[in-house]
Amino acid sequence: RKEVEQDPGPFNVPEGATVAFNCTYSNSASQSFFWYRQDCRKEPKLLMSVYSSGNEDGRFTAQLNRASQYISLLIRDSKLSDSATYLCVVPMTTDSWGKFQFGAGTQVVVTP
Amino acid sequence: GAVVSQHPSWVICKSGTSVKIECRSLDFQATTMFWYRQFPKQSLMLMATSNEGSKATYEQGVEKDKFLINHASLTLSTLTVTSAHPEDSSFYICSATNTAYEQYFGPGTRLTVT
Repeated sequence: RKEVEQDPGPFNVPEGATVAFNCTYSNSASQSFFWYRQDCRKEPKLLMSVYSSGNEDGRFTAQLNRASQYISLLIRDSKLSDSATYLCVVPMTTDSWGKFQFGAGTQVVVTP
Repeated sequence: GAVVSQHPSWVICKSGTSVKIECRSLDFQATTMFWYRQFPKQSLMLMATSNEGSKATYEQGVEKDKFLINHASLTLSTLTVTSAHPEDSSFYICSATNTAYEQYFGPGTRLTVT
């Protein structure tokens, strides 16, 4: 089983709709989680950090379910500019400061 | 957010030559930086952890003699791909992490070896 797993998608979303997708992780000791977005041929950019049950930033909401070991990302009122690949990132081990495990990414395509 | 720069942004080189990529943390000091490689439609793969003032730590399967890493200061890490071959063609990305575990990436270097 992979350390971090994501549904690769693509999720085709009409503009203005809501889309949500999950990321499962295998290390039950993980304390922090991150969502990044990556546009084609560009570097990942930090979207949201999750340290407790969840986080909300505008149209983006991340929720953490420790019992089932997954985090979700929900995008409301989708914009065309939200089209990207969303990467779930989890620290590798608690004693490896700064080392992260990346999911393969979930592709979101927002259509007019 | 923090800014991490990378240079060059793209490079084309001939097989057998060496290529140096620079990664700079512009607005915070990073004792640790990371080097990743990403092939098309795949996730980022951690290659090595670059530690300021000490030897880099390489992930399993990454040849340390081929991918030379130097972290001479708190704001600069370099990756040198020695004797590059076409299979080394990839997108190389560096990152620096702040004390809150937030990781900031450089814009990446697209290497093409002909």
